[in-house]
Amino acid sequence: NAGVTQTPKFQVLKTGQSMTLQCAQDMNHNSMYWYRQDPGMGLRLIYYSASEGTTDKGEVPNGYNVSRLNKREFSLRLESAAPSQTSVYFCASSEYRDRRGYTFGSGTRLTVV
Amino acid sequence: GESVGLHLPTLSVQEGDNSIINCAYSNSASDYFIWYKQESGKGPQFIIDIRSNMDKRQGQRVTVLLNKTVKHLSLQIAATQPGDSAVYFCAEMDSSYKLIFGSGTRLLVRP
Repeated sequence: NAGVTQTPKFQVLKTGQSMTLQCAQDMNHNSMYWYRQDPGMGLRLIYYSASEGTTDKGEVPNGYNVSRLNKREFSLRLESAAPSQTSVYFCASSEYRDRRGYTFGSGTRLTVV
Repeated sequence: GESVGLHLPTLSVQEGDNSIINCAYSNSASDYFIWYKQESGKGPQFIIDIRSNMDKRQGQRVTVLLNKTVKHLSLQIAATQPGDSAVYFCAEMDSSYKLIFGSGTRLLVRP
């Protein structure tokens, strides 16, 4: 049981480049989330998808777009990367309205130079 | 840019001692709280939760205390072990079911 799988694990981008972070879960969860974690700080919510077919902005959505491709997959896209987007990105999933059951992936470490 | 770890409070304890990690939350409407443990290179892992209608909840070696008057949470770890070394985060949730994380505390366990 893999849980939440994120790819890639590491990425270096040049300013202005674009890329998509992939996330897939195999727990049949309805809700999925993207967070970023800056050094020495807690996680901040970028976007979330309460259920397949819906997406909503979180606390820090600027510079990002998301796609809920199907129930399993939720991708995060940086159209024009900036150094301020250097961070560790975590994907999570949960059952809809299940407060306890957030499962996190192991993260993608992104550096924008 | 930010440097790694400079803004993260650190608690250093002797192996076998009890640890107390504190957290202030921001939203008076939050009615559910969780403590997470994050080891290096991994995502957060659930430790224990508490609802706002409770003041205290105990798990295995861990206890969470909630003081709604001053919007304060604490995590107590009994008989701290080397495997407890990690960064600990509190998180709050309101009726929107979105998880909002607080600032973390790094726990270092001295052998």
